[in-house]
Amino acid sequence: GQQLNQSPQSMFIQEGEDVSMNCTSSSIFNTWLWYKQDPGEGPVLLIALYKAGELTSNGRLTAQFGITRKDSFLNISASIPSDVGIYFCAGRVGGGNTPLVFGKGTRLSVIA
Amino acid sequence: NAGVTQTPKFQVLKTGQSMTLQCAQDMNHEYMSWYRQDPGMGLRLIHYSVGAGITDQGEVPNGYNVSRSTTEDFPLRLLSAAPSQTSVYFCASSSPSGARNIQYFGAGTRLSVL
Repeated sequence: GQQLNQSPQSMFIQEGEDVSMNCTSSSIFNTWLWYKQDPGEGPVLLIALYKAGELTSNGRLTAQFGITRKDSFLNISASIPSDVGIYFCAGRVGGGNTPLVFGKGTRLSVIA
Repeated sequence: NAGVTQTPKFQVLKTGQSMTLQCAQDMNHEYMSWYRQDPGMGLRLIHYSVGAGITDQGEVPNGYNVSRSTTEDFPLRLLSAAPSQTSVYFCASSSPSGARNIQYFGAGTRLSVL
């Protein structure tokens, strides 16, 4: 089946720094989603991408759908302590009823 | 709106016991799914349903049963729990509209099998 390779696995950064994480695959995806999971909670959607090359922002977060449709990245600018959590990429190969495939997550720690 | 509600939040079972994890959504979503989350493994799909009366297997279906008799509910059954099923379980729902199938997650059920 399709696999998503998410990197890095974990990051320790200083408050105020910018963060970048990405997902790659050998398969072509039609949809890329980025979720954040706080401790003890379920994942919450941050950004959804539907077209190759699409660049979308949500506050300090920016994500892009790669031109090849095989990758996506998420940037966080000027990190703050509440950015701590696990960030997941997810993708879909087919239409709206086909299952999402998730990356293994990037665990972000912010040092104040 | 409550969104996606999962019960119980925590559960401890002995090997061989059976139980049902409940999931309910009040958004009239057709699509519902169950995932398990293990350290370093991300979210893996167990079963999913595209509508009442329709279910399908995901990546890791063995040891789990599901049914979808109503749009609102999608219970996950463990018929004979095993220690390998110790995990955090998440239910998600969405309303497909072309490719724009955004899944909303419940808060999870933390299951330990001794």
